Amino acid sequence: AQTVTQSQPEMSVQEAETVTLSCTYDTSESDYYLFWYKQPPSRQMILVIRQEAYKQQNATENRFSVNFQKAAKSFSLKISDSQLGDAAMYFCAYTNFGNEKLTFGTGTRLTIIP
Amino acid sequence: SQTIHQWPATLVQPVGSPLSLECTVEGTSNPNLYWYRQAAGRGLQLLFYSVGIGQISSEVPQNLSASRPQDRQFILSSKKLLLSDSGFYLCAWTGQVETQYFGPGTRLLVL
Repeated sequence: AQTVTQSQPEMSVQEAETVTLSCTYDTSESDYYLFWYKQPPSRQMILVIRQEAYKQQNATENRFSVNFQKAAKSFSLKISDSQLGDAAMYFCAYTNFGNEKLTFGTGTRLTIIP
Repeated sequence: SQTIHQWPATLVQPVGSPLSLECTVEGTSNPNLYWYRQAAGRGLQLLFYSVGIGQISSEVPQNLSASRPQDRQFILSSKKLLLSDSGFYLCAWTGQVETQYFGPGTRLLVL
C-alpha cells in the first residue's frame, strides 16, 4: 500500500521569505500523481499544485514550486515570497494512475510571521 | 467551469438523531465523488466514494451510509448519530489528471 509522510508537523517563516515543506512517499508504481493541498482556517481544501510522475520538469504555480525527486520518492513544496495568506495546513497527497483514491499525509501547519 | 456545493455549512445535532448531508457538482458529468471526514487537528479519512449512480464503495465500516441518486448528487446519511460522528465533512469530485477538487465542507457537532 502507498504511504505519504510529512515529517514536519509545524513550520514557520518570516513574511516575504522562502520556506520548503517536505513530503516523502512510498510506492511500487511507476505512473502516479502527487499533489499539495492547502487548508486555510476556513478548512476548505484548495489544490496548490500537481505533479505527474512521468514529467521530469518540476511543476510551478506562481510563487509555489515543487522539487520532485522520483528516485528518492521525495516531493517538497517551496513557497517563495511568503504572504500572510499562505498561513494554513498543507497536505501532500498521492494517487496512482487510474486509481480513484487519494492517500494523504498528516499535514504541516505553516505559520507566517509578520 | 465546475462548482461543488455542500450544505448545510454547519449542523448541530443531538445524539441519536438522523443525518443528511448533501453534495452537488455543477459543470461536469459522471464525476467520481467522495466523502471525507476530518476530526479537529487531524488528516482526512476517506469514508465513501462513487464512480457512478447507485455505485458506492465504503472505506470505513460505521453507522454512516452514502447514496448517489443522481449523476452529480452525493448524499451522506446516518439513522442515529454518535458523539464520534462529530467532525468536518468534505465532499470532492475528480477532475482532469486524477485531481480531486473539494467543496467548502460541513461542520457537524453532535451533542
